[in-house]
Amino acid sequence: AQSVTQPDIHITVSEGASLELRCNYSYGATPYLFWYVQSPGQGLQLLLKYFSGDTLVQGIKGFEAEFKRSQSSFNLRKPSVHWSDAAEYFCAVGAGNNDMRFGAGTRLTVKP
Amino acid sequence: DTAVSQTPKYLVTQMGNDKSIKCEQNLGHDTMYWYKQDSKKFLKIMFSYNNKELIINETVPNRFSPKSPDKAHLNLHINSLELGDSAVYFCASSLRQGGNSPLHFGNGTRLTVT
Repeated sequence: AQSVTQPDIHITVSEGASLELRCNYSYGATPYLFWYVQSPGQGLQLLLKYFSGDTLVQGIKGFEAEFKRSQSSFNLRKPSVHWSDAAEYFCAVGAGNNDMRFGAGTRLTVKP
Repeated sequence: DTAVSQTPKYLVTQMGNDKSIKCEQNLGHDTMYWYKQDSKKFLKIMFSYNNKELIINETVPNRFSPKSPDKAHLNLHINSLELGDSAVYFCASSLRQGGNSPLHFGNGTRLTVT
C-alpha cells in the first residue's frame, strides 16, 4: 500500500516570506498526489492535485507543488505567505482503487 | 449550499452511551467515507461506501457501525462509547471510488467522551 511522510510537524514563517512544505511518498507506480489545507474548526479543502503531465501544478490561493519522481517528493510552495495561510497542511497519496492515505500534517504558523 | 454536511458539530457524552453522527452530500458523488482525526491531527480512514455498498472497513471496533440508506447519506453509529473514542470525525465524499478522486470533506464532528 502507498504511504506518505511529511517530515516537518510545525513550520513558522514571516508574513511575506516564501514557503515550502515537504512531502515524500512511497508507492511502486505513479501515484495520485494531493495537498489539502485544514483551517481551525474546518474540514479539509483541496489545494491542488497531480495525476500526470506537467510536474509543476498550480492550485488555489496561490499555491503550487512540484512532483519529482526521482526524489519521491511532492513539495508545496508559495512565493509570499499571507497571515490567512496559517493552517494545517496535509499531503495525500492515492493509488488505483485504494483509499487515499494522508500524511501526519504540517502546522503552519505565520508571524506578523 | 453546503456540499458535505454533518451533524452535530459537537457531541459531548458519557462513557457507555450510544450516539450517532449523520452525514449528507449534495454533490451527486458515488463514494462516501468516515475518517477519524486524533488529537495529533492524524487522519485515519474508518469506512468507505460506494453506492451504498461497504468497500473499506479498516480495523475499527465493531462498536462502530456505518449505515448508508442511499448514496447521498452515510451515518455513523457508535455503541458503548469509550474515552478513547474522543476525536474529530470527518465525513467525506468523492465522485467515484479510487485513489484519483479528490475528497470533499464536511466540517467535522468533535466527539468528547467523559
